[in-house]
Amino acid sequence: QVQLVQSGAEVKKPGASVRVSCKTSGYTFTTYGISWVRQAPGQGLEWMAWISAYNGNRNYAQKVQGRVIMTTDTSTSTAYMELRSLRSDDTAVYYCARAMLVDTALDHWGQGTRVTVSS
Amino acid sequence: EIVLTQSPGTLSLSPGERATLSCRASQSVTRNYLAWYQQRPGQAPRLLISGASSRATGIPDRFSGSGSGTDFTLTITRLEPEDFAVYYCQHYGSSPFTFGQGTKLEIK
Repeated sequence: QVQLVQSGAEVKKPGASVRVSCKTSGYTFTTYGISWVRQAPGQGLEWMAWISAYNGNRNYAQKVQGRVIMTTDTSTSTAYMELRSLRSDDTAVYYCARAMLVDTALDHWGQGTRVTVSS
Repeated sequence: EIVLTQSPGTLSLSPGERATLSCRASQSVTRNYLAWYQQRPGQAPRLLISGASSRATGIPDRFSGSGSGTDFTLTITRLEPEDFAVYYCQHYGSSPFTFGQGTKLEIK
């Protein structure tokens, strides 16, 4: 079955960077892309960005463009999202989710990674 | 950027009743690329509906989606205890792929 397993919780100081991993299984990694979605405490969902595991094409929300770096490792079927210059309002649960193309729905989700930004 | 407005913010119903959730877009959603997700407390979201009306794999037929253009509806007939959760709509036809603010479906 399709699974996306994310790395564990992180606590970072303002200005630092965080890297979240999303290890996939149960499907052909390069046939799909990965979107990243975050959810601040008690808030709704915010789409951040998408990367194709096939050709590396990327699409970003303007709010995070320039601070988000997404990569994929096809040898381990793992996607990574690095967020730089962290601020307190980056505190959130970060989800990876599978999407075949940039304009397709998110059909399988990881369990989420809690990132806390605090001095 | 398309803004999605969901209503009501909270819906209080009893098991067995019918739920109707609304999602209104600030401009027409490209190719009706509108999805609905369910999020239970402490869990990741789960895809229910894509393309405004197509149920995702394994989703019970008591869930149905309808609508086009700027007005979309998620209907849940015969509410089960596990259906009480937060529901989000999302458009995915043109970046950025924004979500609505959510509707909380709570037990009356």
